[in-house]
Amino acid sequence: KNEVEQSPQNLTAQEGEFITINCSYSVGISALHWLQQHPGGGIVSLFMLSSGKKKHGRLIATINIQEKHSSLHITASHPRDSAVYICAVLGGATNKLIFGTGTLLAVQP
Amino acid sequence: DGGITQSPKYLFRKEGQNVTLSCEQNLNHDAMYWYRQDPGQGLRLIYYSQIVNDFQKGDIAEGYSVSREKKESFPLTVTSAQKNPTAFYLCASRDRGRMTLAEAFFGQGTRLTVV
Repeated sequence: KNEVEQSPQNLTAQEGEFITINCSYSVGISALHWLQQHPGGGIVSLFMLSSGKKKHGRLIATINIQEKHSSLHITASHPRDSAVYICAVLGGATNKLIFGTGTLLAVQP
Repeated sequence: DGGITQSPKYLFRKEGQNVTLSCEQNLNHDAMYWYRQDPGQGLRLIYYSQIVNDFQKGDIAEGYSVSREKKESFPLTVTSAQKNPTAFYLCASRDRGRMTLAEAFFGQGTRLTVV
């Protein structure tokens, strides 16, 4: 079993929909990152969380340390949001970055 | 502005040739990491370095080599021994100092294609 699990693996939405991507982890962590990877491969760091909630534009990230769970929300989704969203945690026995397998999001106009 | 620079973004090499991917950071971070991503899979750790002149193998180190002669630089060499080198490579760094948030920074990645 992976130490970081994301769901869903694939998600198709209509423009304007509210989107939620989930990340669960099984190790102790000091921080959790949400990353965005576009089709060309470039990666952008969206959020780094250790507790609570952060908001940037239409993106909201939350984390519940007790439940070992984080969510990434996109409000009023747009086709340009289409990308792979990756959850990564810093922690575990070796205190290294551990990545989820990603969620492929396609937002249709 | 501080950050991580990976170059080039796209790289093509002939089979059997060694190739070196560059990763430079000006964040004064102690720790640096190299990951590999294959289609449909998560990022997997190749090598990491916690301090200058020291590095450790990750989960898939075979066929790769690294050096950490300077704090700001952590180049990755994909050798001819790597059986399937075509992949997306990501470099990351973080501060192992007194910060509790352990913020990590990520490069944009290099897509290597071996023909």
